[in-house]
Amino acid sequence: EADIYQTPRYLVIGTGKKITLECSQTMGHDKMYWYQQDPGMELHLIHYSYGVNSTEKGDLSSESTVSRIRTEHFPLTLESARPSHTSQYLCASSPRETGRSPLHFGNGTRLTVT
Amino acid sequence: GENVEQHPSTLSVQEGDSAVIKCTYSDSASNYFPWYKQELGKRPQLIIDIRSNVGEKKDQRIAVTLNKTAKHFSLHITETQPEDSAVYFCAAKPYMEYGNKLVFGAGTILRVKS
Repeated sequence: EADIYQTPRYLVIGTGKKITLECSQTMGHDKMYWYQQDPGMELHLIHYSYGVNSTEKGDLSSESTVSRIRTEHFPLTLESARPSHTSQYLCASSPRETGRSPLHFGNGTRLTVT
Repeated sequence: GENVEQHPSTLSVQEGDSAVIKCTYSDSASNYFPWYKQELGKRPQLIIDIRSNVGEKKDQRIAVTLNKTAKHFSLHITETQPEDSAVYFCAAKPYMEYGNKLVFGAGTILRVKS
């Protein structure tokens, strides 16, 4: 079934560890996004990509990095995790069309850094 | 850039009553306005969207109205049911520009009391 998949669903790690959150979509979408969602609900855009080899920083400053080597894959990496990185991370994708282009979200990764 | 404000932040209604969530936007170039519903522990999902060339759109118990002059749009849920309890996000985006992204409101927690 065409969808957007995130792994892991939950992750608890210690401070200083390097982690990669995986995101893959099978919908053939060109655009992909990473959002950070606090317990206070707000969705903050931290990275986005409009296609292979295209990545941009979002509105919220983040110490993470992303890559887009394949259309379907958009992993997010934290080189050295800190407790302030504890949050839910949502990956999303949307088609190329410039008009009605709703986001399709993954189930998210809930990250806890101890 | 675009700024979207959403009110109220929390809303409690009795089952069967109507619920209204309002959003205002700042960029007159925005002309695509989706609404997302996020149930507890789940991903945000698109429930309805509207383009600026229409003033109202309805889908069963859900409707969205848009006032471009005043730059505000609203979500209306009639005959609310307990399963409508969730966080609702509005968003705005310019229609034609490839480089623009959805800007989300801060979210509204809707509680439907049975």
